[in-house]
Amino acid sequence: DAMVIQNPRYQVTQFGKPVTLSCSQTLNHNVMYWYQQKSSQAPKLLFHYYDKDFNNEADTPDNFQSRRPNTSFCFLDIRSPGLGDAAMYLCATSLGRLAGPQETQYFGPGTRLLVL
Amino acid sequence: GDSVTQMEGPVTLSEEAFLTINCTYTATGYPSLFWYVQYPGEGLQLLLKATKADDKGSNKGFEATYRKETTSFHLEKGSVQVSDSAVYFCALPSGGGADGLTFGKGTHLIIQP
Repeated sequence: DAMVIQNPRYQVTQFGKPVTLSCSQTLNHNVMYWYQQKSSQAPKLLFHYYDKDFNNEADTPDNFQSRRPNTSFCFLDIRSPGLGDAAMYLCATSLGRLAGPQETQYFGPGTRLLVL
Repeated sequence: GDSVTQMEGPVTLSEEAFLTINCTYTATGYPSLFWYVQYPGEGLQLLLKATKADDKGSNKGFEATYRKETTSFHLEKGSVQVSDSAVYFCALPSGGGADGLTFGKGTHLIIQP
């Protein structure tokens, strides 16, 4: 089945130690997104790639970076995690821009990050 | 900017009760509207969508109708089950192209046997 895959499902890191979260997709979608979801809150968009074009949300901290080496994979790098970065990180994809009426966003299962 | 307001929970119902979760939106134009469901510890799953006014999205017994007159997209189900216990998010495209989704705050639904 075509899907969005996130590894690992749970990640523990230490305060200030760089960590990378992974996302892959078999949908061959052009757009990949990263959201941060803190406990009991709605997901908040961090950034997205339309193909190779990177789009950062204005309020995304510089501590968060992303890489998309090819269509299938996208990575979220947190350079120096703080306690406040503990959250669920959700990867999502869409074939094209969401403004199109046929577009839908598909989510992976998420990676829960714990910062000690 | 475009935004979504949904009723906040928790909403607690007995099994087989009728469910309504209210969602209203503010948007330029007539964007697609979505309901996503999140089970404990999991990512978001698309529950249903509607792409234009008067469209009805439906899935797994859930329905929502796109009402442009009232700018609403309320989620309904005639008879809920314990397995429907989850958090439900109403959402719409953030606008300006591929800018992701803007979500409501989520409604935690608890179904008691």
